[in-house]
Amino acid sequence: GNSVTQMEGPVTLSEEAFLTINCTYTATGYPSLFWYVQYPGEGLQLLLKATKADDKGSNKGFEATYRKETTSFHLEKGSVQVSDSAVYFCALSGMNRDDKIIFGKGTRLHILP
Amino acid sequence: NAGVMQNPRHLVRRRGQEARLRCSPMKGHSHVYWYRQLPEEGLKFMVYLQKENIIDESGMPKERFSAEFPKEGPSILRIQQVVRGDSAAYFCASSPSWGTEPDTQYFGPGTRLTVL
Repeated sequence: GNSVTQMEGPVTLSEEAFLTINCTYTATGYPSLFWYVQYPGEGLQLLLKATKADDKGSNKGFEATYRKETTSFHLEKGSVQVSDSAVYFCALSGMNRDDKIIFGKGTRLHILP
Repeated sequence: NAGVMQNPRHLVRRRGQEARLRCSPMKGHSHVYWYRQLPEEGLKFMVYLQKENIIDESGMPKERFSAEFPKEGPSILRIQQVVRGDSAAYFCASSPSWGTEPDTQYFGPGTRLTVL
């Protein structure tokens, strides 16, 4: 079945550092891929998504490229801020309308000032 | 356009009581999903509903848990005879109907259930 694997946290970086959070997936066909972010005490917010191979999703300085050949969707940001501290979830949705979204376990990110 | 609304935001119950969690999807959304998040863990899918239909309940415990999404009103997740292990954050998400953005889910702020 479909699955998502993302790097374990916590990840601790200094402000303005470069961020990469790895995510790989297993799925049949061509799923849609997502990154969600959860700030403390809140629900998940969609950060970015990509629906086909080689698509790049981007939002708020974050980017992720749908790599079919490596089955990956790594999240990157060139210069992180303290306000980026949150938990980040990689997720995929299958091709069928009733396929549920599969979430990774989440990666907690701490940004130090 | 108001987002997904959940209430209550915090719910405290004693063991053996019932918990009712409500979710109002975004306007125009007819698909609702419920997830459970335990401390320091990811989201676990529980159930997927459309109006008056349960589409996928493969993540629901077989006993004490039920969900509905009536023709009118919010979706309800009901937990009977709660136990301490039910303490968690419960999130609801909604998505549009097929043909628009069927695969993007929008999340509510969650209900944090504490069982004493």
